[in-house]
Amino acid sequence: AQSVTQLDSHVSVSEGTPVLLRCNYSSSYSPSLFWYVQHPNKGLQLLLKYTSAATLVKGINGFEAEFKKSETSFHLTKPSAHMSDAAEYFCVVSRSNTGNQFYFGTGTSLTVIP
Amino acid sequence: ETGVTQTPRHLVMGMTNKKSLKCEQHLGHNAMYWYKQSAKKPLELMFVYNFKEQTENNSVPSRFSPECPNSSHLFLHLHTLQPEDSALYLCASSQGPTTGGFGYEQYFGPGTRLTVT
Repeated sequence: AQSVTQLDSHVSVSEGTPVLLRCNYSSSYSPSLFWYVQHPNKGLQLLLKYTSAATLVKGINGFEAEFKKSETSFHLTKPSAHMSDAAEYFCVVSRSNTGNQFYFGTGTSLTVIP
Repeated sequence: ETGVTQTPRHLVMGMTNKKSLKCEQHLGHNAMYWYKQSAKKPLELMFVYNFKEQTENNSVPSRFSPECPNSSHLFLHLHTLQPEDSALYLCASSQGPTTGGFGYEQYFGPGTRLTVT
């Protein structure tokens, strides 16, 4: 079975400080993992994806995530937060044996304080 | 138009109305999806279509009826909805399906905000 746990429902950081959004996954198969961002009243935008290549994945807008199989984690980080990063972030695992069923976490709301 | 588009962006309907949501993808994908996003709940996958064939129906009530006439268009027909059906309905598309391999990323439209009165 596949599932995702986002460990924090809300994270607050000051502008210019690092961002860490935590995600743990459970998967019966080698997982594909994704991070999406959703700004208010918008659809979801793909930030980055892991599909069994390099364990450190770089995405858009300076975000990156590291796949750690031993810890079943896929945490999202950014060295320096920007005001425009304030949004909802979703960690997603897909069922790799068939590929196109996504399992979403409950989301982490990121607030950036000026 | 690029990416995934959805119309209308906002919809208010009474419980006895019939309406339809439309989704169109301009990415050459062959899989399309409907999701429901309610406040404080994870995204719920409703339906999956691969090559115009429905391959997933996650116990969705029959008052929601999907239609996929071709790989680029997806509809969600609504009738006799309940107030608890008020939510953001998201459409997505991707390549796929794959077997024994990795998952393709999904591209999402902006959503239709549905309010049932």
